[in-house]
Amino acid sequence: AQSVTQLGSHVSVSEGALVLLRCNYSSSVPPYLFWYVQYPNQGLQLLLKYTSAATLVKGINGFEAEFKKSETSFHLTKPSAHMSDAAEYFCAVTWGGATNKLIFGTGTLLAVQP
Amino acid sequence: EPEVTQTPSHQVTQMGQEVILRCVPISNHLYFYWYRQILGQKVEFLVSFYNNEISEKSEIFDDQFSVERPDGSNFTLKIRSTKLEDSAMYFCATKRPAGAGELFFGEGSRLTVL
Repeated sequence: AQSVTQLGSHVSVSEGALVLLRCNYSSSVPPYLFWYVQYPNQGLQLLLKYTSAATLVKGINGFEAEFKKSETSFHLTKPSAHMSDAAEYFCAVTWGGATNKLIFGTGTLLAVQP
Repeated sequence: EPEVTQTPSHQVTQMGQEVILRCVPISNHLYFYWYRQILGQKVEFLVSFYNNEISEKSEIFDDQFSVERPDGSNFTLKIRSTKLEDSAMYFCATKRPAGAGELFFGEGSRLTVL
């Protein structure tokens, strides 16, 4: 079955450190890939998306992600964490089709330590 | 910037009661979705709706659930007889007519069933 996996339900980094949140999908057909961020008690905000154009995608708030077909991965990175980055991050995929529904990973809660 | 709006933001109800959650989608969007997120868990797909009919539903979306777009603007999710396990955050999402599957989410409606 097609699925998406996020390794690490909790990630803690120091302010100013590199942020790396992992996402892998399971399918021989590359999907469209997305990262969403959820701040406490808020909805889901799109950070960035991969739609088969450039493999390195830049998003909002200094985040970027690289699509690697050989590794079936779409890891999210940010060179320098800020306190305001503390949130839950969800990787999501769709293979299109009639409904274009998104399938979400289990999420990674990012904590940023001062 | 246009956004998806949801009401109510929080509803508390007694088990067995009917609940209607409402969503006003972005005006030129044609695909509509409901997702739910039980506290601390992943975002789960419930149903997608296009051209005034359900295009796909998950196993969660049983006979107790229904969706409709009664007046061409609001998109509603009805739970006929709520159960304790229906307590969750419910997100409405919409998608443009074309585009690579990007969904725009509302802020969510938190349902608490007592």
